[in-house]
This record gives sequence, C-alpha cells and structure tokens, in this order.
Amino acid sequence: GAVVSQHPSWVICKSGTSVKIECRSLDFQATTMFWYRQFPKQSLMLMATSNEGSKATYEQGVEKDKFLINHASLTLSTLTVTSAHPEDSSFYICSQHIGQVSNEQFFGPGTRLTVL
Amino acid sequence: KNQVEQSPQSLIILEGKNCTLQCNYTVSPFSNLRWYKQDTGRGPVSLTIMTFSENTKSNGRYTATLDADTKQSSLHITASQLSDSASYICVVIPGGSYIPTFGRGTSLIVHP
Repeated sequence: GAVVSQHPSWVICKSGTSVKIECRSLDFQATTMFWYRQFPKQSLMLMATSNEGSKATYEQGVEKDKFLINHASLTLSTLTVTSAHPEDSSFYICSQHIGQVSNEQFFGPGTRLTVL
Repeated sequence: KNQVEQSPQSLIILEGKNCTLQCNYTVSPFSNLRWYKQDTGRGPVSLTIMTFSENTKSNGRYTATLDADTKQSSLHITASQLSDSASYICVVIPGGSYIPTFGRGTSLIVHP
C-alpha cells in the first residue's frame, strides 16, 4: 500500500513559537491530503483538506490563520502551527486518499507536539 | 448528524482468547466502513474495508462483519496476541464523499 511519512515524529517547543510538520507521500502522487488532530483517548478530528496548488479547506472551528497548510507539490503537504500554545499540544496525523471517492486511505505515523 | 459509536470503550483479555468489538453508525448514505488498528503514538493502519454489499471480510485473525440494514459492524479477533494491544477504530465513509466519520475507538489490552 501507499506509504505516507511525517516529520518530525515528535517535537517540543516553547509557547509562542511556530512549528512546521511535514507530510510526504513516498510512492504515490496525492492531489489531496488530509490533516487530523487527535487528543488523548479521543477519535481523530479532521482539521483541513490540503489541495495541491490551491488553498486548503478548513473544517468548522479550525483557525486557518493559526494552522497554516501548504501543499506545494504532489508529494508534500506541510502544517505549520503558528504561535503555539499548550492547548495545541496534540497528536497530528496526515492521510492520503487514493481516488476521487476512495476505498483506500493511508495515514502517516503522526507527529506528537508538546507545547511548554 | 453522522455518528459512529463504538463499544466497549476499553477491553482487557488474556492472551489466546477471542474478542468482539462493536460499531454502530448513523451515517447515511453509506459508502464503506473500515476498521483500523492504532498503536499508541502511531498512525492508524487499515485492517478491513467493506462496502454496503459485503457482509464479512477477514484479514488474518481479524474478521469484520457488516449489517447495513441495522447499521452495525463488528470486529472479531481470534486467538489474541500481546501485539493486538491497541486502539481499534471504526470509520464510516458517507456516500459520495471522502470525508470519514471516526468512532472514538476501543482500547484493547491483551495480558499474558
């Protein structure tokens, strides 16, 4: 199956700093990638849909100015958490879908963000 | 509102035993239902994918069932192993969409 990688796997930062998380599709070109956030013992929550070459589509309640998403190429999408605060500490996961209405969805390994 | 409810919330079993996890959903129209295994601190990994016309699908020791009429699915794990300890997530994809609805997951702990 398709392989999706994320970098870094974990990051600790000070409050007020910005953190960039990369999501790469290693063996498939993804026109659309998805970003999720998962708090402990909670289900994955879709944050935004990342479209190659265009602006991301954000879910209701997700601040687009705080969570900057860039999908510069068919194999790379980035999520930047700007001016991070402790409440942004979470597990961030990207996924790649294959096909328009896909039966295949491949998740990255996730990035654990801890904001002090 | 599309919802996916999973039960039990957590489960502890002894190694070698079988167990069954439940998933009820209200998503309509329905495209497909997936079960994922998520190890702590890792991304979800697909176990099974079923469309509305499929009643059962197996992947090794994992067998998923689907009743599209009652909107219920189950995941049966046979001869559990320590490595089965993880969160099992039921995900439903609505018809005509790729935006999934996630259940909260069942946390399974397998003890030796």
